[in-house]
Amino acid sequence: EAGVVQSPRYKIIEKKQPVAFWCNPISGHNTLYWYRQNLGQGPELLIRYENEEAVDDSQLPKDRFSAERLKGVDSTLKIQPAELGDSAVYLCASSLALGSSSTDTQYFGPGTRLTVL
Amino acid sequence: ILNVEQSPQSLHVQEGDSTNFTCSFPSSNFYALHWYRWETAKSPEALFVMTLNGDEKKKGRISATLNTKEGYSYLYIKGSQPEDSATYLCARGGGTSYGKLTFGQGTILTVHP
Repeated sequence: EAGVVQSPRYKIIEKKQPVAFWCNPISGHNTLYWYRQNLGQGPELLIRYENEEAVDDSQLPKDRFSAERLKGVDSTLKIQPAELGDSAVYLCASSLALGSSSTDTQYFGPGTRLTVL
Repeated sequence: ILNVEQSPQSLHVQEGDSTNFTCSFPSSNFYALHWYRWETAKSPEALFVMTLNGDEKKKGRISATLNTKEGYSYLYIKGSQPEDSATYLCARGGGTSYGKLTFGQGTILTVHP
């Protein structure tokens, strides 16, 4: 079974440029998460989707970040414009069930390492 | 404890040593505690999900215990091998957002041959 796929794996951009990350979850997984991991810290949830609906986006900086999961399968996270402080690893994860439970295992992709110069 | 905290931040051991690390978390409104292993350039791998006070889980040479009353979990590795080198993350499930995981900052383990 294929795992969570993310692309690109690495991205270097200059500040004020736009950037987009793509995620394809495990087949059949209904819930999709985007996390950001800053250097020296643990991953922090940005947004959670159940199918195509964003059910928790309270931590997403909406002035510059946007996300979509149009057909309830793959998802795109965009930053426009990027700032120096956006340098981080962006992780995508998926889990099987809807109505996400705290006991559900979340399966992670390898992440995209973003460097903003 | 207000956040999820892990200690130590990093650890260097020799091959064959046994080691353990700690995850501390708020004990109120607790639902679950997750452990992940994250090797460089790979995806974080789920190790355990623990829910009950006194839970013990084991996977090969790795085991974990859970104390929900005092808010801590221990991860043990017996006879460390170089391939155990990774960042070990714990995450607490629960709180105001039911499906949300709150992660600690991780313990970086390096096992020297």
